[in-house]
Amino acid sequence: KQEVTQIPAALSVPEGENLVLNCSFTDSAIYNLQWFRQDPGKGLTSLLLIQSSQREQTSGRLNASLDKSSGRSTLYIAASQPGDSATYLCAVPPGGYQKVTFGTGTKLQVIP
Amino acid sequence: GAGVSQSPRYKVAKRGQDVALRCDPISGHVSLFWYQQALGQGPEFLTYFQNEAQLDKSGLPSDRFFAERPEGSVSTLKIQRTQQEDSAVYLCASSDSGTASYEQYFGPGTRLTVT
Repeated sequence: KQEVTQIPAALSVPEGENLVLNCSFTDSAIYNLQWFRQDPGKGLTSLLLIQSSQREQTSGRLNASLDKSSGRSTLYIAASQPGDSATYLCAVPPGGYQKVTFGTGTKLQVIP
Repeated sequence: GAGVSQSPRYKVAKRGQDVALRCDPISGHVSLFWYQQALGQGPEFLTYFQNEAQLDKSGLPSDRFFAERPEGSVSTLKIQRTQQEDSAVYLCASSDSGTASYEQYFGPGTRLTVT
């Protein structure tokens, strides 16, 4: 059974800092890995999706990397802003199937 | 519509009451998923449809939970005889399995509170 762990569970940083969120998974036979953002009381917004054949994806100040062999992904946020405050979730479907296992998330607070 | 929509956004039910939650996926998306998200937790898979076929219902917590997608578009998640432990946010997602990315697009969720 796929298990997804996110560390840290919560993070508080001053505005402008660069930060890294971590995601680890136990079964490396994955199709892709997706990072989401969830604001309080809201649904999930997709940030980045990395195919299993890729090593990283970038979107603006966000960069996500994937290392299948070690079962790890990182989400790098550059020059953090208060608007980045949210819970960040990583999600992994097993190879060839879209059923997704989510991590428990990292709650990020960026302090002005 | 432009995205996945869900209704109602909020539902308060008395214990023992039946509820029905609706999901309108992105037009043309063949795959549809339901997830349950308890407070402070990540979403947990409930069930998966490909068109009208329910291919996986392994995540449904009990036989009180039932999902359908009769015409391969709109889906309804029904919970019978609701219990307090059913209180959660229910998220729906859709995916165009015709694309290589298999990215899932989520709706805003329905927050169910059972009193």
